Amino acid sequence: AQSVTQPDIHITVSEGASLELRCNYSYGATPYLFWYVQSPGQGLQLLLKYFSGDTLVQGIKGFEAEFKRSQSSFNLRKPSVHWSDAAEYFCAVVRTGGGNKLTFGTGTQLKVEL
Amino acid sequence: AAGVIQSPRHLIKEKRETATLKCYPIPRHDTVYWYQQGPGQDPQFLISFYEKMQSDKGSIPDRFSAQQFSDYHSELNMSSLELGDSALYFCASSPRGGGGSDTQYFGPGTRLTVL
Repeated sequence: AQSVTQPDIHITVSEGASLELRCNYSYGATPYLFWYVQSPGQGLQLLLKYFSGDTLVQGIKGFEAEFKRSQSSFNLRKPSVHWSDAAEYFCAVVRTGGGNKLTFGTGTQLKVEL
Repeated sequence: AAGVIQSPRHLIKEKRETATLKCYPIPRHDTVYWYQQGPGQDPQFLISFYEKMQSDKGSIPDRFSAQQFSDYHSELNMSSLELGDSALYFCASSPRGGGGSDTQYFGPGTRLTVL
């Protein structure tokens, strides 16, 4: 069965520390890959996306993600976390050739300690 | 820049009542998606429309129906509401038929509470 896995439900980092949020997918073909962020009570904001080409993609707010085909992963990174980054982060995919709906992972709740 | 507009932002209903949620996509976006996010859960796809026709259907209950109008806005109609329908309902829009690589832009959501 196809799925999106975010192994870490909660992550706590200190402000200024680096961050890596994990995402794995299980599909036969590489899907379109996205990272969204959701602040409490807010909508979903796109951080970045990967379709093809350079496997390291840059997004907004200083985030980047690296696609690794061999590991079926699309991990999100940030070199230095700010307190305002505290939010829930969702990895999502659109299966190629299978409609355009987003399938989300279960999310990772990020807490930033000052 | 214009964003996706959803109304109302908050809605409280009793069990067995009906509710209508509205979504106004970004101008020139012709594709609309509806998602449901239960408490502490990830968003789940409900249904989508392209050029006023249903383009895809997910785990939408039979009690729910939706449509897209000539001005591209969409409405999600929910009848015989149940406690389990309490959730945050997101609308998203995308341009050009919403090909898989097109970004879906999300609205702020409508928080539905069923008492």
